[in-house]
Amino acid sequence: DSGVTQTPKHLITATGQRVTLRCSPRSGDLSVYWYQQSLDQGLQFLIQYYNGEERAKGNILERFSAQQFPDLHSELNLSSLELGDSALYFCASSVGEGGTDTQYFGPGTRLTVL
Amino acid sequence: LAKTTQPISMDSYEGQEVNITCSHNNIATNDYITWYQQFPSQGPRFIIQGYKTKVTNEVASLFIPADRKSSTLSLPRVSLSDTAVYYCLVGDLFKAAGNKLTFGGGTRVLVKP
Repeated sequence: DSGVTQTPKHLITATGQRVTLRCSPRSGDLSVYWYQQSLDQGLQFLIQYYNGEERAKGNILERFSAQQFPDLHSELNLSSLELGDSALYFCASSVGEGGTDTQYFGPGTRLTVL
Repeated sequence: LAKTTQPISMDSYEGQEVNITCSHNNIATNDYITWYQQFPSQGPRFIIQGYKTKVTNEVASLFIPADRKSSTLSLPRVSLSDTAVYYCLVGDLFKAAGNKLTFGGGTRVLVKP
């Protein structure tokens, strides 16, 4: 158990809909990262927040947005969903924001868009 | 971006040593090398990190030559439970991790009985 929690575990929805994925980082961690992993694909970095502020952006679509709240939990919002958005979405956290900080990953949310 | 290149897959047998090499020709002075392990449908897990020469912990060793353009993860005496995907990452000590976060396809290691 990494200490990172993600809800829900599974989500099934239809094209065109909007969903929100939630992540609670490990106690004491200030950075939160979001990743997308499609079937048999590597991890695609989406976005990083540190102490409430956006720190880095990866391959995040304009239909996707995220935020980190004062209590440090984070939400990833996915809108106008397409079939291709079906994937595992992982959240990770780290103490700091730097590239040498160990990231602790949550169990993921499996999103299925029908 | 410091791009990394790893073999797509490797097969091994129980009890053998597995060595996975990652190339990172454009590694910068402040970059560290980190390896993660991922089992199916689970999030990756930190294995080891290093800057140069050799680092060893309870699960693996990491060898980094003097020019740091590559690194080799060594898993001693693998078991069936070591079957997983292994990712090599290069990250800057002083910059936000997201600036260089490219996990790539990783190396799929299959340990056979």
